[in-house]
Amino acid sequence: QKEVEQNSGPLSVPEGAIASLNCTYSDRGSQSFFWYRQYSGKSPELIMSIYSNGDKEDGRFTAQLNKASQYVSLLIRDSQPSDSATYLCAVNIGRKGSGGGADGLTFGKGTHLIIQP
Amino acid sequence: DGGITQSPKYLFRKEGQNVTLSCEQNLNHDAMYWYRQDPGQGLRLIYYSQIVNDFQKGDIAEGYSVSREKKESFPLTVTSAQKNPTAFYLCASKGTIGETQYFGPGTRLLVL
Repeated sequence: QKEVEQNSGPLSVPEGAIASLNCTYSDRGSQSFFWYRQYSGKSPELIMSIYSNGDKEDGRFTAQLNKASQYVSLLIRDSQPSDSATYLCAVNIGRKGSGGGADGLTFGKGTHLIIQP
Repeated sequence: DGGITQSPKYLFRKEGQNVTLSCEQNLNHDAMYWYRQDPGQGLRLIYYSQIVNDFQKGDIAEGYSVSREKKESFPLTVTSAQKNPTAFYLCASKGTIGETQYFGPGTRLLVL
């Protein structure tokens, strides 16, 4: 079974520090990778997407992808209490009977991040 | 105001009853998806549809059914065959450009 693995945490980080969230995936053919943030009782909201090896930066967020190691990470700089949430890693893993791009995402169980004031 | 709407926000099901969850989008997206989330778990794919009148089973389709008669709408029916339906149900859609899925606010289904 194709899987996405995350450390469930909780991960506790002091305010202003860098939070580092990690994710590994089993399908070497995966091409699309996403980080979603989910507050308790709410639906996931997209933080970052990344498709190529290397780093992608957007404000305080940096996504890092290493396809050879099947590893994707999210760094949050200058962590704020409002960053406290569960972060879900999602990978577009191909499924039988359909073309690429509309197959649905496979999610990790999420990492619970707590930013300590 | 564009987006994805789901209704109802909370839904109660009696044993043996079929219930239908609504998902509507006005983003002109072709692909739509249904996921289920259990407490402390990630999302699991139930069904997805790439175009009108076509849909595919996801990883946990048993006990569920869908239809896609209109581009804007992708309702999910939780049938009596689904023995453990209590969960948070999330609908998502994706346009033709890019790979990103956007989520609706979700429906929380509880069993009486």
